[in-house]
Amino acid sequence: AQSVSQHNHHVILSEAASLELGCNYSYGGTVNLFWYVQYPGQHLQLLLKYFSGDPLVKGIKGFEAEFIKSKFSFNLRKPSVQWSDTAEYFCAVRNRDDKIIFGKGTRLHILP
Amino acid sequence: EPEVTQTPSHQVTQMGQEVILRCVPISNHLYFYWYRQILGQKVEFLVSFYNNEISEKSEIFDDQFSVERPDGSNFTLKIRSTKLEDSAMYFCASSDPAGGDYGYTFGSGTRLTVV
Repeated sequence: AQSVSQHNHHVILSEAASLELGCNYSYGGTVNLFWYVQYPGQHLQLLLKYFSGDPLVKGIKGFEAEFIKSKFSFNLRKPSVQWSDTAEYFCAVRNRDDKIIFGKGTRLHILP
Repeated sequence: EPEVTQTPSHQVTQMGQEVILRCVPISNHLYFYWYRQILGQKVEFLVSFYNNEISEKSEIFDDQFSVERPDGSNFTLKIRSTKLEDSAMYFCASSDPAGGDYGYTFGSGTRLTVV
């Protein structure tokens, strides 16, 4: 069965630090990959997505992610985080059956 | 930007009662989904719905649950006899006909509290 693994459950950073959140998936076929963000008390919002083409994907709010097919990875990065980036981040994969499977999430806490 | 609308935003119900969670998907979307997130846990798939029938459901989606598209706009999740462990945030989502280039669009969720 396919799965999504997020390596870090809780990350604490200071403002201006660089961020990288790991995500690996297990599925051998063609996948679509997503990162969603959930700010405190709010709903899931799409940060960025990968369907095909350039494996380096740029999303909203300065986030980017790189799809490395050989490593089954889709790590999320941001060069300089802000206090407002405090949120929970979910990596997700959608297979040909069109169902999205979420990782367990990474809770990011930015210290002002 | 089109939105998925969910009502109510918060519902408190007594154990054993029936609840109906309502969703209005994006108007030209044809695929609809329910997910739930128990506090502190990951977002879990419940069910997908297409062409007026369930296309896939998870093991969580047992006989206690049902979904319906009663008219052209609403998509509902019914929980027949609620249990304490049904307390969670329930998210509705929809996607475009081809599975599109946009991922799913999620609603803002309904927080269900069973007491």
